Amino acid sequence: AQSVTQPDIHITVSEGASLELRCNYSYGATPYLFWYVQSPGQGLQLLLKYFSGDTLVQGIKGFEAEFKRSQSSFNLRKPSVHWSDAAEYFCAVGAGGRRALTFGSGTRLQVQP
Amino acid sequence: SAVISQKPSRDICQRGTSLTIQCQVDSQVTMMFWYRQQPGQSLTLIATANQGSEATYESGFVIDKFPISRPNLTFSTLTVSNMSPEDSSIYLCSVPGQGAMRQETQYFGPGTRLLVL
Repeated sequence: AQSVTQPDIHITVSEGASLELRCNYSYGATPYLFWYVQSPGQGLQLLLKYFSGDTLVQGIKGFEAEFKRSQSSFNLRKPSVHWSDAAEYFCAVGAGGRRALTFGSGTRLQVQP
Repeated sequence: SAVISQKPSRDICQRGTSLTIQCQVDSQVTMMFWYRQQPGQSLTLIATANQGSEATYESGFVIDKFPISRPNLTFSTLTVSNMSPEDSSIYLCSVPGQGAMRQETQYFGPGTRLLVL
């Protein structure tokens, strides 16, 4: 069975600082990996996804993530955080096809002025 | 991406009552998924709803508690039955990508925020 671990429950960064959110997955085959963001009172918005190919993927809002098979990781990064990035971030893994996703427990990002 | 709407967006209900949540998609989709997000928690899959067949429930979720309808390819409902405060959650529906989009990607509705008193 697939699983996702997000080790950091809560992270606080200053506006303009860089950000890295960690995600580790467990899956027997090549995973389909995703990062979603949930702003307060909102649904989930897809930030980026990795299926194959280039291990560094670019997403919306200036986010990127790097797939490292050797470390079973898919960490999310942003070089300069904006106050509007404060939200809950979820990493998810899929088995492919039209199947449902397995989500991590989420990381809450707080941005200090 | 698909445009997904849910009704109601939020509700406050009394214990012992039932609430039906609607999910509408702007395109035809074979599969729809229902997730639950309990306060401060991640998303947990409740069931997969295929048009024309019975929904498939995940471990810990049963049809008597969460009956699902899927009358056509653009619509589904999830009912939370005989509610207790433990059912207070956000309920989200999602659909796979269609057409030029990859089917492995899931797109989510805005969610229904349920508070049970």
